[in-house]
Formats: sequence, C-alpha cells, structure tokens
Amino acid sequence: GESVGLHLPTLSVQEGDNSIINCAYSNSASDYFIWYKQESGKGPQFIIDIRSNMDKRQGQRVTVLLNKTVKHLSLQIAATQPGDSAVYFCAENIIGGATNKLIFGTGTLLAVQP
Amino acid sequence: DAMVIQNPRYQVTQFGKPVTLSCSQTLNHNVMYWYQQKSSQAPKLLFHYYDKDFNNEADTPDNFQSRRPNTSFCFLDIRSPGLGDAAMYLCATSSTRLFWTSGGYSTDTQYFGPGTRLTVL
Repeated sequence: GESVGLHLPTLSVQEGDNSIINCAYSNSASDYFIWYKQESGKGPQFIIDIRSNMDKRQGQRVTVLLNKTVKHLSLQIAATQPGDSAVYFCAENIIGGATNKLIFGTGTLLAVQP
Repeated sequence: DAMVIQNPRYQVTQFGKPVTLSCSQTLNHNVMYWYQQKSSQAPKLLFHYYDKDFNNEADTPDNFQSRRPNTSFCFLDIRSPGLGDAAMYLCATSSTRLFWTSGGYSTDTQYFGPGTRLTVL
C-alpha cells in the first residue's frame, strides 16, 4: 500500500474565529501564487490567487497577503466555519516557456472546532 | 458546468498489472497535468502536456506514461504498478494566455479534478 505519510502541521480554531495559515516559498522568480483547499478524498479546489505585483488580495471571507521581501504568503479566513475544515496548500507558479509549473507547499490541516 | 472529470474515482489493480487512469475536461484548456499525491503530502507533478507536446519531470519513473489523443482527454498509464505507486492521482488543466501589454506568456491557474484513488494489491 501507500508509504506512511508525514504529519501535517495543524491549526485548530474555534468556529467563528479568524484563521491565519502561513506559507514560505522558495523561488524569488515566482510571479504568481495560489491557495488551494483540499477536503478529504477530493482534489484541490482553487480558493484565491495573487500576482507578484500585489501585496494583498481579498475574496469572500478570505484574504491573501504576500510579502516578497521575506518570501512569505498567508491566507486569512474570516469567521471560520466547520465547512472550512480541510488541508490548505499554497503553491508558487514558476513559468517555464509557455507553460507553468506549480510548486506546492507542505500543506496545513485546518481543524475547526464547533 | 465546465469541469475536469476523472474516471474511475477508485481503481484497484494487482501488483504488476497495467492500469490506465482517465481524465477529461470541458474547459477547452490547452495544458493538462498529472500529479501523484500520497497520504498527507503535497501533489507531485509527474508530467504535463502543452497541446500535444509532452513534458516529463526529470524524476518521474519510466513506469509512468501518458497519452493525450485530443484536447479533451488525457490518460495516465502505469505499466507495472508496484506497491509504492498506491496513491491519489490528480489531473489538472490550465490555459495559456498572452499578456498583450508585456508581450509575454503566462498561464492561468490550474483546475483540478476529483482524483483517482489507486490501490495496488
């Protein structure tokens, strides 16, 4: 069967609180960053993205902050709900010719306590 | 709704028995990707097609092959599955677009299918 997986970093929050998930990226040339949400047994689902010429972008209940100086990305979820429980991956986009590659971070498990 | 579809959702095969996983898309994207994801790990890119051009990752084993007969379909073939190949296999698509102001190319975000969970007995 599968090899034993790693233990994911876990963030445990109370329902209604705000959540902040952090991510460090490695490539200074990355021009585009994406946050994905992955529920158990499903494929990653796009949440929000940000280009390198921005430092903040807001969506519905979610905000992404980009700090290029320290190569840090964060995802803020307002008023966290039980349905937000999932693994969250950041990904940096590296352009190679006319196609891109996504380099995924290790993922953070968000556990929302009712 | 436009989407990325993977079949089957669950696949069981025997050690060494070839298996094919299928991906189709209605997004009309020109780029299709295959990822392998093991438990509690990030997706790992195996290869991708830019239109008909195949791009293999350097560390993808020869045991993994792919075919893209047309824009909509892409297949992952595992020629001789081993126990270590048990994983979730994810298909994703994206489109290439031209940024007219800069004259450069960039690609849109990748959209993932639901995945196929492969079990090797």
